[in-house]
Amino acid sequence: EAGVTQSPTHLIKTRGQQATLRCSPISGHTSVYWYQQALGLGLQFLLWYDEGEERNRGNFPPRFSGRQFPNYSSELNVNALELEDSALYLCASSDRDHGYTFGSGTRLTVV
Amino acid sequence: AQSVTQLGSHVSVSEGALVLLRCNYSSSVPPYLFWYVQYPNQGLQLLLKYTSAATLVKGINGFEAEFKKSETSFHLTKPSAHMSDAAEYFCAVTLPPSKLTFGTGTRLQVTL
Repeated sequence: EAGVTQSPTHLIKTRGQQATLRCSPISGHTSVYWYQQALGLGLQFLLWYDEGEERNRGNFPPRFSGRQFPNYSSELNVNALELEDSALYLCASSDRDHGYTFGSGTRLTVV
Repeated sequence: AQSVTQLGSHVSVSEGALVLLRCNYSSSVPPYLFWYVQYPNQGLQLLLKYTSAATLVKGINGFEAEFKKSETSFHLTKPSAHMSDAAEYFCAVTLPPSKLTFGTGTRLQVTL
């Protein structure tokens, strides 16, 4: 069974640009969660999507947004990038047995 | 809201020694609890989870954790540390299907 897939693995952007990160959940999982892991700040919850709807949002500015597609894959968009957006972005998907499986992450570097 | 507190941001043990990583939770109702491990530049790997069944949970790589409601604890243990156990460990809590809330992590160092 394929795990949670995230792309790209690494992304380098200039301050002010936009970044798009992608996540494909495990087959059959309808919930997708996004987390930011910045140096020294731990794992911060960003967004939760289920059945195509945004269910919950963490304490992040509106320039962090996303969506979930009919096939349950998801995109995270970060607009007007700032240096402090540099982090590892992790995606997780969840099944009905409430197992949360994480992908390997996208390392975003803003220069 | 649920939360977890991990005591000790860094723990160092000798190879072959007992590993004990501490996690205390706060929740108004019995939650689901998880332990994840993260190796450098990688994602999170699930070690084990408590989902209101057996209070002693066995996970991968010889790890186990015991849910103690009276102490609001979910400590992670391994009888004998191996060099390959050196990593960062995260405790997490949730009331499914809501988001996981993580502790601040404990970095485990294993020395010869």
